[in-house]
Amino acid sequence: AQSVTQLDSQVPVFEEAPVELRCNYSSSVSVYLFWYVQYPNQGLQLLLKYLSGSTLVKGINGFEAEFNKSQTSFHLRKPSVHISDTAEYFCAVSEIQGAQKLVFGQGTRLTINP
Amino acid sequence: EAGVAQSPRYKIIEKRQSVAFWCNPISGHATLYWYQQILGQGPKLLIQFQNNGVVDDSQLPKDRFSAERLKGVDSTLKIQPAKLEDSAVYLCASSLGAGGIIETQYFGPGTRLLVL
Repeated sequence: AQSVTQLDSQVPVFEEAPVELRCNYSSSVSVYLFWYVQYPNQGLQLLLKYLSGSTLVKGINGFEAEFNKSQTSFHLRKPSVHISDTAEYFCAVSEIQGAQKLVFGQGTRLTINP
Repeated sequence: EAGVAQSPRYKIIEKRQSVAFWCNPISGHATLYWYQQILGQGPKLLIQFQNNGVVDDSQLPKDRFSAERLKGVDSTLKIQPAKLEDSAVYLCASSLGAGGIIETQYFGPGTRLLVL
C-alpha cells in the first residue's frame, strides 16, 4: 500500500518570499502524484498533478512541483507568495494500476505574513 | 457551472444517534466519492460510486456506515449509530468518470460533524 508524508505541518512565510512544501511518498509500484489546496471554508481544489513525462509540473496560481523518483519526493514550490495563498495544502498519491484511489498526506498549513 | 453541493454544512449529534449527509455532484459526472477528514489528517476515501454501482468501499465501516446513490446522481451517506470517533468533515467529490484516477476530482465544501 502507498503512503504520503508531508514533512511540515505548518509553514509560515512572509509575503513575496519563496516557499517549498515538502512531500515524500512510499509505494512498491508506479504512482501518480497530486497536490490539492483547501482554502478556508472551501472544498479541496486541484493545484497540479504528475502523470508522466516531464518531472517538472506547472499548476495553477503560479505553483509548480518536481517529481523525483530516486528520492520519492514531490515537493511543491512557488517563487513569490501572496496573502491569498494562505491555505492548507495536501499531497496525494495513487497507484497507476491496481487500487486507483487517492491517498492523502496529513496536510501543510501555509500562513503568509505581511 | 454549479459545483458539488453538500448539506447540511454542520451537524451536532449525540453518540448512538443516527445522521445522514447529502451530496449532489456536478451535472453529468458519473463518479462520486465520499471522504472522511478527521481533524489534523488528510481526507480518507470511504466509498466510490461509478454511476449507481459501488467501485470501492474497502475503507467504509460497514457495521455503522452506509451509502447509496440511487439513479446515479445524488448520494446519501448515513451513520447509525454514531460514535465519538466519527467526528470529522465528510467530503463529497465527483469526476467526469471516463478516465479513472487521472481525472480531476471536484470537491464540495464538506459537512462538519461533531458527535458528543
